[in-house]
Amino acid sequence: QKEVEQDPGPLSVPEGAIVSLNCTYSNSAFQYFMWYRQYSRKGPELLMYTYSSGNKEDGRFTAQVDKSSKYISLFIRDSQPSDSATYLCAMSAGAAGNKLTFGGGTRVLVKP
Amino acid sequence: NAGVTQTPKFRVLKTGQSMTLLCAQDMNHEYMYWYRQDPGMGLRLIHYSVGEGTTAKGEVPDGYNVSRLKKQNFLLGLESAAPSQTSVYFCASDSGGLAKNIQYFGAGTRLSVL
Repeated sequence: QKEVEQDPGPLSVPEGAIVSLNCTYSNSAFQYFMWYRQYSRKGPELLMYTYSSGNKEDGRFTAQVDKSSKYISLFIRDSQPSDSATYLCAMSAGAAGNKLTFGGGTRVLVKP
Repeated sequence: NAGVTQTPKFRVLKTGQSMTLLCAQDMNHEYMYWYRQDPGMGLRLIHYSVGEGTTAKGEVPDGYNVSRLKKQNFLLGLESAAPSQTSVYFCASDSGGLAKNIQYFGAGTRLSVL
């Protein structure tokens, strides 16, 4: 079993809809949680960063972390065609080396 | 503002050939990483470095070697390429420390081993 599980999709939504993405994990030592966005043939770029449990909002993006359930979510409101990308969750225990463990990524398609 | 630069962008190798992938960062970051990305597998850590002259094994180190002779450069070597090493390779760097460990990624190197 993978340490971080993420549905590969693709997730297809109409423009303006809410996109809901999530990851589950098994390592209770994880305390730093990130969402990266990766466009086709590009490197990942950090979208959201959360420490420990709770919610964080940044514009149209909301990240939620529930450490008791080992479950994290990313919501994209008022989705745009430019949001079409692969979204990767990543986690870290904060140990030396800042090593990240990634989910497999969910491909999202926002149709105009 | 170059950030993290990877060379080459594409490469085709024959089984048994060797090659070196170069990663350069201009952000004065302490930590650097090499990942590989395969369909459905996310990014898996190959090797990493927490400073000039240091290297450490990640999750999938077999068949690869690395060197960090200068702070800004991190080299990934394949001594004898195998078809299983066909993948997209990403280099990343961050400033180190536990607070907000944001990793910045390069654009990737697509490698095919025939």
